[in-house]
Amino acid sequence: DVKVTQSSRYLVKRTGEKVFLECVQDMDHENMFWYRQDPGLGLRLIYFSYDVKMKEKGDIPEGYSVSREKKERFSLILESASTNQTSMYLCASSPTTGVLSEKLFFGSGTQLSVL
Amino acid sequence: GQQVMQIPQYQHVQEGEDFTTYCNSSTTLSNIQWYKQRPGGHPVFLIQLVKSGEVKKQKRLTFQFGEAKKNSSLHITATQTTDVGTYFCAGRNSGYSTLTFGKGTMLLVSP
Repeated sequence: DVKVTQSSRYLVKRTGEKVFLECVQDMDHENMFWYRQDPGLGLRLIYFSYDVKMKEKGDIPEGYSVSREKKERFSLILESASTNQTSMYLCASSPTTGVLSEKLFFGSGTQLSVL
Repeated sequence: GQQVMQIPQYQHVQEGEDFTTYCNSSTTLSNIQWYKQRPGGHPVFLIQLVKSGEVKKQKRLTFQFGEAKKNSSLHITATQTTDVGTYFCAGRNSGYSTLTFGKGTMLLVSP
């Protein structure tokens, strides 16, 4: 089975801190994604990557950056955490057959609280 | 940008009753996917629909894709307590675009 592993299940940070959320997948998938999930708002795409060192902005990239130095690892960075970034962060990956049409495999999520 | 609306936001049923959630897109979709998220869990892929008017079944779950490829539904017959969770639709307006998720329908089933 595909495994998408997020480094922390729960994380508490202070306003202004730099925060790194790590995600690793073990199935050689080309595409990786970062979503945030908030009650009543569903899943919103922050950033995605379809290849090593490639990144594309999603719907809500403001306040975030990403890094993909290796195919299996996709990191989400909060340069200066703010309270409105308190959320559940979900990483996902998918293979590609030439188009971004494949299903997503999600990690277990990181619940980030910014105080 | 593309919007995917999902209703209802929440539904509480008695075990054995049927349940339906509806998804509507502001644009024509190339395909639509459905995911289930159990309480405390992460979204898990259920199915993908690609063809106009397509109907697929998985045991008690029936998925439909509209003729115009702008709407979809998930129907559960005779709900069970194991059906509890939030169901998300996610649409794509071309093979090369990312998924846009609906806000989900939370289903609660009482025994």
